[in-house]
Amino acid sequence: GAGVSQSPSNKVTEKGKDVELRCDPISGHTALYWYRQRLGQGLEFLIYFQGNSAPDKSGLPSDRFSAERTGESVSTLTIQRTQQEDSAVYLCASSLAHSELNTEAFFGQGTRLTVV
Amino acid sequence: GEDVEQSLFLSVREGDSSVINCTYTDSSSTYLYWYKQEPGAGLQLLTYIFSNMDMKQDQRLTVLLNKKDKHLSLRIADTQTGDSAIYFCAESSGGSYIPTFGRGTSLIVHP
Repeated sequence: GAGVSQSPSNKVTEKGKDVELRCDPISGHTALYWYRQRLGQGLEFLIYFQGNSAPDKSGLPSDRFSAERTGESVSTLTIQRTQQEDSAVYLCASSLAHSELNTEAFFGQGTRLTVV
Repeated sequence: GEDVEQSLFLSVREGDSSVINCTYTDSSSTYLYWYKQEPGAGLQLLTYIFSNMDMKQDQRLTVLLNKKDKHLSLRIADTQTGDSAIYFCAESSGGSYIPTFGRGTSLIVHP
């Protein structure tokens, strides 16, 4: 596709259930980022992938959060045993390379997660 | 405190100039960005500036950087109703190009 695609666009889940969010980056983009945007808050970095290197998981808020990416393709963010505090918009972004010369991150439209 | 700070709201009249301000704390910031988020849409990069620059101009947009004060601003000339959106300031530093974002400034343009 032409841009970063995220699915689903909206997800309502019951507290305690697991959810899986998907991100399709722009083809050829080696760097992929997940951010969380809570209502009225800035973007909170969660995790970053660069090619086949070990991901930077420093932003994951708890061990209920995990993410995977196979090669330079699709990434999934999984939240286990969801809590109401997990309600937010989850944004995915990709960039051509994680280097000084290529820093523009292209964002998807996000997945709005509501935990009830 | 937060790494990147912005005021939350700005209201301007159509045709006036808008100035959105941002301060950051990381003195090793290499790149500073302005992103725009329209309702229901993803973030879109508007412009960015290297830390060794003081100013960058792109059509109606002017970015000013005061590295000493760690202050970044975005000026939009002749603001239009289509400029109404949330504007995010972000920075990234050498060695870690993961952008750190502010909370965003909601720009409201009224007739």
